[in-house]
Amino acid sequence: DAKTTQPNSMESNEEEPVHLPCNHSTISGTDYIHWYRQLPSQGPEYVIHGLTSNVNNRMASLAIAEDRKSSTLILHRATLRDAAVYYCILRDPNFGNEKLTFGTGTRLTIIP
Amino acid sequence: NAGVMQNPRHLVRRRGQEARLRCSPMKGHSHVYWYRQLPEEGLKFMVYLQKENIIDESGMPKERFSAEFPKEGPSILRIQQVVRGDSAAYFCASSPNRGQPQHFGDGTRLSIL
Repeated sequence: DAKTTQPNSMESNEEEPVHLPCNHSTISGTDYIHWYRQLPSQGPEYVIHGLTSNVNNRMASLAIAEDRKSSTLILHRATLRDAAVYYCILRDPNFGNEKLTFGTGTRLTIIP
Repeated sequence: NAGVMQNPRHLVRRRGQEARLRCSPMKGHSHVYWYRQLPEEGLKFMVYLQKENIIDESGMPKERFSAEFPKEGPSILRIQQVVRGDSAAYFCASSPNRGQPQHFGDGTRLSIL
């Protein structure tokens, strides 16, 4: 599996934008970039995914570098409820490998 | 539209007993995945099932662990003769098709005395 690298932790002020980086220099051409987050005492929650183009949904935006070796999850206006561990995961749906490989993620702390 | 339901939320067993964890996927989802999260660690894939079939069990321990997803009813993760090291949070996820985002339940926290 292609590997991702994320900072262990980040802090952000409430109501400020948050940019969570992810490096994936060994990404293959068919790997999608998925983001999940895990709030305390809950299961992971799907956030967003993309292949090449930037993506937006009601939760967040995903900015993908032109060479696809890195990406950034953007929370436009952080709230206290966004405090969670954020996981960047590569997934190739053509490979038949359905499992998600979770790394250690980035623990995001929101400062009121 | 109920999400993935797991029960029980908490389960306590003594060493040597059996643990049965249940997972009801979201309506319309026929793909189920089980993951285990040890304390202070990330989630590790265990097994992937699609209605009555085990598709990928590469993350399952070879002994004492089994999983099923019958035609009717929830998916079951069964752990026989539990040991202290089985203490963990067990999460189930479901998806409608292959390649789609996985929707997770809130897990079963298993404690072994």
